[in-house]
Amino acid sequence: SQQGEEDPQALSIQEGENATMNCSYKTSINNLQWYRQNSGRGLVHLILIRSNEREKHSGRLRVTLDTSKKSSSLLITASRAADTASYFCATEGSNDYKLSFGAGTTVTVRA
Amino acid sequence: AAGVIQSPRHLIKEKRETATLKCYPIPRHDTVYWYQQGPGQDPQFLISFYEKMQSDKGSIPDRFSAQQFSDYHSELNMSSLELGDSALYFCASSTGHSTNEKLFFGSGTQLSVL
Repeated sequence: SQQGEEDPQALSIQEGENATMNCSYKTSINNLQWYRQNSGRGLVHLILIRSNEREKHSGRLRVTLDTSKKSSSLLITASRAADTASYFCATEGSNDYKLSFGAGTTVTVRA
Repeated sequence: AAGVIQSPRHLIKEKRETATLKCYPIPRHDTVYWYQQGPGQDPQFLISFYEKMQSDKGSIPDRFSAQQFSDYHSELNMSSLELGDSALYFCASSTGHSTNEKLFFGSGTQLSVL
């Protein structure tokens, strides 16, 4: 991975439960973004949190950012079968505009 | 709403052949990014263009080249293909070459090198 590890690599939960995944990165950043990918498909932007923000919400998604620990977490509440996908964090470095992706967490939501 | 269009969707090539992947960004998006994603891997940044000029370069092999044309579409040219080039290639676009932009991804081109 260009930026670091995601934890866990895979997660299996029951519908209605919450899913939490973590992401660590290595360099200073402008922002951190979370993307979702269904198998073999393109990535879809979920949420962007800027380096001066600590928490952000969007619908059932909650993202936290701790720049002192260089880590972020994504919480999906009240999960649905349709949330089954791989979730990637990506960081925009302080010195460039490109996104560097983490290794991803595969989430399976059982009906 | 219009999305990022990539073609072809699937491509099968032999070793040492060449391949050209095309990307049509969302209208009025002037920045294009190319990523390579191997099976079970995270997307790896290859190269990006802003206003038809290369803006960032990542882990793109010398056998690959890319450009952005006057209509903002982009092409990734891959020569002397190797088995290890088999991957999903994504193009993404965004508005402007600035910070805090989200990327819009195409559905990707699945390249298989036999």
